[in-house]
Amino acid sequence: DIQMTQSPSSLSASVGDRVAITCRASQTIITSLNWYQHKAGKVPKLLISGASRLQSGVPSRFSGGGSETDFTLTISSLQPDDIATYYCQQSYGLPATFGQGTKVEIK
Amino acid sequence: VHLVESGGGLVQPGTSLRLSCAASGFTFDEYAMHWVRQAPGKGLEWVSGLSWNGDYLDYADSVKGRFTISRDNPKNSLYLQLNSLGPEDTAFYYCARGGPTITDYSTLDVWGQGTTVTVSS
Repeated sequence: DIQMTQSPSSLSASVGDRVAITCRASQTIITSLNWYQHKAGKVPKLLISGASRLQSGVPSRFSGGGSETDFTLTISSLQPDDIATYYCQQSYGLPATFGQGTKVEIK
Repeated sequence: VHLVESGGGLVQPGTSLRLSCAASGFTFDEYAMHWVRQAPGKGLEWVSGLSWNGDYLDYADSVKGRFTISRDNPKNSLYLQLNSLGPEDTAFYYCARGGPTITDYSTLDVWGQGTTVTVSS
């Protein structure tokens, strides 16, 4: 199975800060990497697919990059609405493994 | 586009349960479908996926041999049969839509509200 490792496991930042979450795959997954946002009490939401393809309706402050084994989700200017846990997920092979999640809080 | 899960509940260890997911608003038989769960205080765990025509399916190692995924395309429904349940299966179970092609098979773009499964004596 392909293991996905996210870092950090949690972070606290101020409104307006630039925030970056990294995700590392245990083997190359090319760009088959998705990012999800999961707010407390809500349904997970697909933010980015194919490592960098922003989904319709997702604010442009979110961006994704990387390839092979190393990927990054960046929030260019953190907003209160961004409080959530973020998960990476590889869709290169099965099982479609998730990272352990990064909890984002406002300082 | 809508997914609605049902069938969760409180069950004793060793028993079985069948989850259902009713889909609407899209051409069901053109999309792969998946189950994802979240145990209390834990992260998301992919459980199982099934191709659009049912020809290909797979399971997480943690449920292989105990859970069975299936679909009824004319009824726009996805199912998950859970057998030999243990406390480790206690979780919120989501139904999620995968992609219509092999390249985005497990890119999950639509999620249901989920259903709770609690395994306890």
